[in-house]
Amino acid sequence: QSALTQPASVSGSPGQSISISCTGTSSDVASYNLVSWYQQYPGKAPKLVIYEVSERPSGVSNRFSGSKSDNTASLTISGLQAEDEADYYCCSYAGGHYVFGLGTKVTVL
Amino acid sequence: EVQLVESGGGLIQPGGSLRLSCAASGLAVSNNYMSWIRQAPGKGLEWVSIMYAGENTFYADSVRGRFTISRDDSKNILYLQMNTLRAEDTAVYYCARLEVATTMGFDYWGQGTLVTVSS
Repeated sequence: QSALTQPASVSGSPGQSISISCTGTSSDVASYNLVSWYQQYPGKAPKLVIYEVSERPSGVSNRFSGSKSDNTASLTISGLQAEDEADYYCCSYAGGHYVFGLGTKVTVL
Repeated sequence: EVQLVESGGGLIQPGGSLRLSCAASGLAVSNNYMSWIRQAPGKGLEWVSIMYAGENTFYADSVRGRFTISRDDSKNILYLQMNTLRAEDTAVYYCARLEVATTMGFDYWGQGTLVTVSS
C-alpha cells in the first residue's frame, strides 16, 4: 500500500493549462478505472472534482478533466484561474482498499 | 443536507487509546460505505479504513491490528477505535462517505478532528 506518486508542485499563469500526473502500480491505478481527484484548500476538507478517471461531479467546472494510461492518471486544469490555487490529490481503488497520492500544490503565478 | 461531524480527538500519550466518532445527518451510515481518512500536519491524505455494506471492513497496513472501524446504526454514528497509538498517528481524522451509485468517490467529508499523540 504505497502512496501514489504525484509531483510536489505545479504552477501556471492565469489562462494556461496545467496537468498533474498520478503514478501507481498494477495493484491500483492500472487495474481499475476508479481513480478520483480531490481539491483541498488550506484548513478545509477535500472536495471531489473528478471520479472514475474522467467524470466530473455536478457543479464542478468543465475546466477540470481527467485521463488515464496504464498505471498513470492525470488531472488537467485548463484556463487556470486564481481560485484553482490549492492542493490536489489523486486516489485509486486497490481491491477493497484505497490509496491516495502524496499531493500536488498548484500555484497560479 | 448531508452533514458529517467528527469528535473525540485530543492529546493522547503514546501507547494510549482513543475513540473517534462521526455523527451523520442526512444519510444513514448503515446504508452507506463509510471511511476514515487522515492527514498529518502539513502532509497529504492517507486512507485509513472503510466499512462496506454488510460490515465488511478494510484497513491500511499502517493501522491494521490497532484500529477498528464500527458503527451504531441506532445512533447513526461511525466510530474509529484507535489503540496502541504512535506519534505517527498524529493527524486530522476525517470521516467521508464513499458514493457508490454514480461516482465511486468520497463525496461528503466532515470537518475533521485532530489527534495528537505525544508525551
